[in-house]
Amino acid sequence: TQLLEQSPQFLSIQEGENLTVYCNSSSVFSSLQWYRQEPGEGPVLLVTVVTGGEVKKLKRLTFQFGDARKDSSLHITAAQPGDTGLYLCAGSSSNTGKLIFGQGTTLQVKP
Amino acid sequence: EAGVVQSPRYKIIEKKQPVAFWCNPISGHNTLYWYRQNLGQGPELLIRYENEEAVDDSQLPKDRFSAERLKGVDSTLKIQPAELGDSAVYLCASSLGVMGQAQETQYFGPGTRLLVL
Repeated sequence: TQLLEQSPQFLSIQEGENLTVYCNSSSVFSSLQWYRQEPGEGPVLLVTVVTGGEVKKLKRLTFQFGDARKDSSLHITAAQPGDTGLYLCAGSSSNTGKLIFGQGTTLQVKP
Repeated sequence: EAGVVQSPRYKIIEKKQPVAFWCNPISGHNTLYWYRQNLGQGPELLIRYENEEAVDDSQLPKDRFSAERLKGVDSTLKIQPAELGDSAVYLCASSLGVMGQAQETQYFGPGTRLLVL
């Protein structure tokens, strides 16, 4: 069974601080996606990484896919209150194409 | 363009009662997914449709859950009878369904929040 472990599960920081969220697995994924979910809404795709070692930037967010395609990280620089939400990583199984989600990291950015 | 539409947004029922959720995917999307998201967890796939065919229902508890997508467009998910442990958010998602594309973008609806008392 493929599993994705996210850490930390909860993070509460002050506006302007930096943070990193980790997504780890013992399995190899063909691609990995990061989503952000706000209360009362469905997850919204932020980025897809496909190549081992790939780094993608989206404004203040930096996403990295591990060389072995088993892990990923999300780094936020100078967090803003608008970054508050649930961040989910999801790996795509190379065999089935099914998305396997991590349990999520709840981020609270206080002004 | 409208996104994935789900109804109702909230549902409170007593255990042993039936409940149904409805989803209308983005126009032109052939693939439709139903997920269940428990509190503090990520979504878990229940069933995936390619047009009207259920191609992956391995995680659907078939003793009480059923789903249909008769015309390959909108879909319903039913629970009968509901149990306390079914309380969760039920998310619908859709994607284009392009043959051979390893990983397509899934677009999620807002979900139906179910509380079973």
